[in-house]
Amino acid sequence: DTGVSQNPRHKITKRGQNVTFRCDPISEHNRLYWYRQTLGQGPEFLTYFQNEAQLEKSRLLSDRFSAERPKGSFSTLEIQRTEQGDSAMYLCAWGWQGAEAFFGQGTRLTVV
Amino acid sequence: KQEVTQIPAALSVPEGENLVLNCSFTDSAIYNLQWFRQDPGKGLTSLLLIQSSQREQTSGRLNASLDKSSGRSTLYIAASQPGDSATYLCAVKGKLVFGKGTKLTVNP
Repeated sequence: DTGVSQNPRHKITKRGQNVTFRCDPISEHNRLYWYRQTLGQGPEFLTYFQNEAQLEKSRLLSDRFSAERPKGSFSTLEIQRTEQGDSAMYLCAWGWQGAEAFFGQGTRLTVV
Repeated sequence: KQEVTQIPAALSVPEGENLVLNCSFTDSAIYNLQWFRQDPGKGLTSLLLIQSSQREQTSGRLNASLDKSSGRSTLYIAASQPGDSATYLCAVKGKLVFGKGTKLTVNP
């Protein structure tokens, strides 16, 4: 148990639809990260939060992507008007600044 | 911009062998470095965290070293077992910049 719950675990959607993923750390930690991973590649940084504040957003994220962490606990990642290139594993991680990071099991998105 | 490279990309060894996985990074201004293991289709499992002030960290059969001046870290696995087969990833903090990983196969 990594202390992070991600939902849903799998999502199949049609191109053009919007999808939302949720990340729930079991306990509150000030840092929460989102990553995207495609087959054979390492995780690519998308964005991270310190408490409620979104401190950095990757250039990889187009305007179709948005993330929130409204109360400094759980976080959501929304993708609007999905494209086939969005198909990937989306990973959430939590931790304290400067300390060990723990990952959830991820949400696998397939855009058909 | 921080870049992380892992060599080799894949490694196949017989059971019982000791092995070393390599990780190099371009910017030595890191807070710490973390090694992860990933099984196919799964999330990442944390193995070891080395703070920037440390030289090495040990957990069971695993030993990780860190040399900031040369921008390198190694993960040493002693007496490898088939259950060690997985992809091993290193990440440097700041914001966790990952390498592409080394896919390890330990043959019985």
